[in-house]
Amino acid sequence: KNEVEQSPQNLTAQEGEFITINCSYSVGISALHWLQQHPGGGIVSLFMLSSGKKKHGRLIATINIQEKHSSLHITASHPRDSAVYICAVGSSGSARQLTFGSGTQLTVLP
Amino acid sequence: DTEVTQTPKHLVMGMTNKKSLKCEQHMGHRAMYWYKQKAKKPPELMFVYSYEKLSINESVPSRFSPECPNSSLLNLHLHALQPEDSALYLCASSQVGLGADTQYFGPGTRLTVL
Repeated sequence: KNEVEQSPQNLTAQEGEFITINCSYSVGISALHWLQQHPGGGIVSLFMLSSGKKKHGRLIATINIQEKHSSLHITASHPRDSAVYICAVGSSGSARQLTFGSGTQLTVLP
Repeated sequence: DTEVTQTPKHLVMGMTNKKSLKCEQHMGHRAMYWYKQKAKKPPELMFVYSYEKLSINESVPSRFSPECPNSSLLNLHLHALQPEDSALYLCASSQVGLGADTQYFGPGTRLTVL
């Protein structure tokens, strides 16, 4: 069993839809990261969470430490949101490593 | 400046060639990372440098040789690579290298080994 599980693996939505991507983890963590990777490679860090909820524009990330679960929400989705979204955890037992989920390929159709 | 730069963007090399990838950051970060990413897979950690010292080597073959000449610069020297080494190579940096640090990623070097 992977330490970080993401779902769904692939998601297709119509422009304007509300999108949720889920991440579950099985290790103790110091923080959870949501990353975005566009075609062509570059990775952008969207959020780093250790508790609660964060919002940036149309993106909202939540984490429930007791349930070891995080969600990334996108409101009013747009085709430019099409990318791979990756959940990664910094484990409390390992100082310098991130453990990555397998990623969610999001496609938003106009 | 929150940018990590990587050169070259694309590299094609033969199995007998020697080449180097370069990564640079000017954010004052003291941890720098090399990742390898195959298509449709998450990044795999290769090396971590912390305060210019190699702190993690994830059992990477010796045909990959990292170097950290100073706190801003990270190189990856390549020699006698195999076609299966073709991948996107990502560099990242973070403040001190803890799991709670935000990692800033470069755009990557897409490597093709013929």
